[in-house]
Amino acid sequence: DTAVSQTPKYLVTQMGNDKSIKCEQNLGHDTMYWYKQDSKKFLKIMFSYNNKELIINETVPNRFSPKSPDKAHLNLHINSLELGDSAVYFCASSSRLAVTDTQYFGPGTRLTVL
Amino acid sequence: TQLLEQSPQFLSIQEGENLTVYCNSSSVFSSLQWYRQEPGEGPVLLVTVVTGGEVKKLKRLTFQFGDARKDSSLHITAAQPGDTGLYLCAGATSGTYKYIFGTGTRLKVLA
Repeated sequence: DTAVSQTPKYLVTQMGNDKSIKCEQNLGHDTMYWYKQDSKKFLKIMFSYNNKELIINETVPNRFSPKSPDKAHLNLHINSLELGDSAVYFCASSSRLAVTDTQYFGPGTRLTVL
Repeated sequence: TQLLEQSPQFLSIQEGENLTVYCNSSSVFSSLQWYRQEPGEGPVLLVTVVTGGEVKKLKRLTFQFGDARKDSSLHITAAQPGDTGLYLCAGATSGTYKYIFGTGTRLKVLA
């Protein structure tokens, strides 16, 4: 059973397109996150949601719009893709909104913008 | 901007050797975590430390949180090829709900 799953695993698209990445967790957790890992492996938080409510929005361009239809899902929609958006995007979840809780990461979505 | 510097950036050692990875910052953290990430996968939590001076052991891995809670170290004894991966530290400051991740250390253990 996969705890945190993401689709697709790979996404190759042209500049200017709009794309979505989906994330689902079956752990019953209240909190979900989106992270971006660049080519130098630097991992940076983008958003976090707790009980479907946006908690953290880390100065991400508003071309990025997260949506949480329910506590088990957190999707990421990206408009007008740019070359600099190429990265690996990780979804994660934790039981509560507490930094002492374990975050479980998904396998990542490698986005390549041409 | 908070920054967590890890050193070394890259490390290639022979099986059986010992190594230490460092994670340093000018910020004080209420909580610090270490993760290992393998290629094509997400990071996996190894440990969380919250008390200055705290030492935690996980088999051959020893984690220490600095007394001032600004730095941490990860020591691996008798490294094995299975220890190969990207090691990331991450710190959270008091009153926040997020972790700032370190610059990463890529470890390769040769058989």
